Amino acid sequence: KAGVTQTPRYLIKTRGQQVTLSCSPISGHRSVSWYQQTPGQGLQFLFEYFSETQRNKGNFPGRFSGRQFSNSRSEMNVSTLELGDSALYLCASSLGLAGSSYNEQFFGPGTRLTVL
Amino acid sequence: GENVEQHPSTLSVQEGDSAVIKCTYSDSASNYFPWYKQELGKGPQLIIDIRSNVGEKKDQRIAVTLNKTAKHFSLHITETQPEDSAVYFCAAYQPPGGGNKLTFGTGTQLKVEL
Repeated sequence: KAGVTQTPRYLIKTRGQQVTLSCSPISGHRSVSWYQQTPGQGLQFLFEYFSETQRNKGNFPGRFSGRQFSNSRSEMNVSTLELGDSALYLCASSLGLAGSSYNEQFFGPGTRLTVL
Repeated sequence: GENVEQHPSTLSVQEGDSAVIKCTYSDSASNYFPWYKQELGKGPQLIIDIRSNVGEKKDQRIAVTLNKTAKHFSLHITETQPEDSAVYFCAAYQPPGGGNKLTFGTGTQLKVEL
């Protein structure tokens, strides 16, 4: 079974630009979660999508947004980029079944975003 | 919300020794605690996990213990090998109603020296 794929792997942008990152989950997985990883803040939850709907959201400004398509692929968008947005953006997929039991998340390799 | 603290931030051991990484969490509703290993240039990989109804779990050289009363859990790696060198993250999961997301610790850089 293919793992989680993320494209592109590396991106360089300048302040003020916007960027779109893509994530393809494991086949059969319906939930995609996005995380930002930085040396200073560690791994922080951005949002989760399930069946094309945002199901949960972290504490990030509205410049960070996402969406999910009917095939479960997901994109996240960051508008008006700031220097502090430089980070590794990770996506994780899971079955996404509802309830109190945890659904194991499988991470992709990430997209390294550098904002100049 | 949940807060997960992880110690130490760096850990250096000799090959063959044991390594222990400790985490504490704040939300008593958290009921699932995974540990991830992240190698350079890769995403985190789940190595072991434990649910709140279990006190200890072992998988070959890796074990995890959970103390719900004290709200802390630990990762134990025995007979460490150079390939164990990586960054390790603990995390806590809050079920629906408490966030439905993973909150991660800040990571431990483990270095296994020959």
